[in-house]
Amino acid sequence: GQNIDQPTEMTATEGAIVQINCTYQTSGFNGLFWYQQHAGEAPTFLSYNVLDGLEEKGRFSSFLSRSKGYSYLLLKELQMKDSASYLCAVRSGGANNLFFGTGTRLTVIP
Amino acid sequence: NAGVTQTPKFRILKIGQSMTLQCTQDMNHNYMYWYRQDPGMGLKLIYYSVGAGITDKGEVPNGYNVSRSTTEDFPLRLELAAPSQTSVYFCASTYSGTMGSDTQYFGPGTRLTVL
Repeated sequence: GQNIDQPTEMTATEGAIVQINCTYQTSGFNGLFWYQQHAGEAPTFLSYNVLDGLEEKGRFSSFLSRSKGYSYLLLKELQMKDSASYLCAVRSGGANNLFFGTGTRLTVIP
Repeated sequence: NAGVTQTPKFRILKIGQSMTLQCTQDMNHNYMYWYRQDPGMGLKLIYYSVGAGITDKGEVPNGYNVSRSTTEDFPLRLELAAPSQTSVYFCASTYSGTMGSDTQYFGPGTRLTVL
């Protein structure tokens, strides 16, 4: 089975940096994804890691340690529009299936 | 490209009624998925398809059926709706080849209430 854990809620200040952690236990690991989901909207793709290390895309970075079953999403220079849920998802199995955590609701305050 | 489209956006059903949620993608993706998302929860996979004519169960398939007669369309059928099926339903698709991230792209969702 799959077990994916991430904090339920986080609050951070505009302009600051926030790190959202995700730990997972899975068989047949084949990649980790981060999605952003604004309230009432569909998830949108942020980042993908399959090898250990840091992937950087503008203000967003994602890190993966496969040996520790651990990933984090780093958001820099926070903006009010970054207030959203951030979903950690692990891909495993032969059919490219994603298994999602419950999501971390981030609130950015002025 | 319209991407992944879903209809309807909202629907209220009575217990025992049936309905079909429509999903269409115009990106020539081979893989398609149906998820449900309950309040404060992550997405759970209901059914998926790796190509036309091929479907398989996900984590929570009970009470649902799917078909995939074309590459573009992947309808989800609810028979005998129950209050436990009140949820937001997302369809997603990806092109799964031999390399790459195979990122899944999501439709806008259908918000279903069963009373």
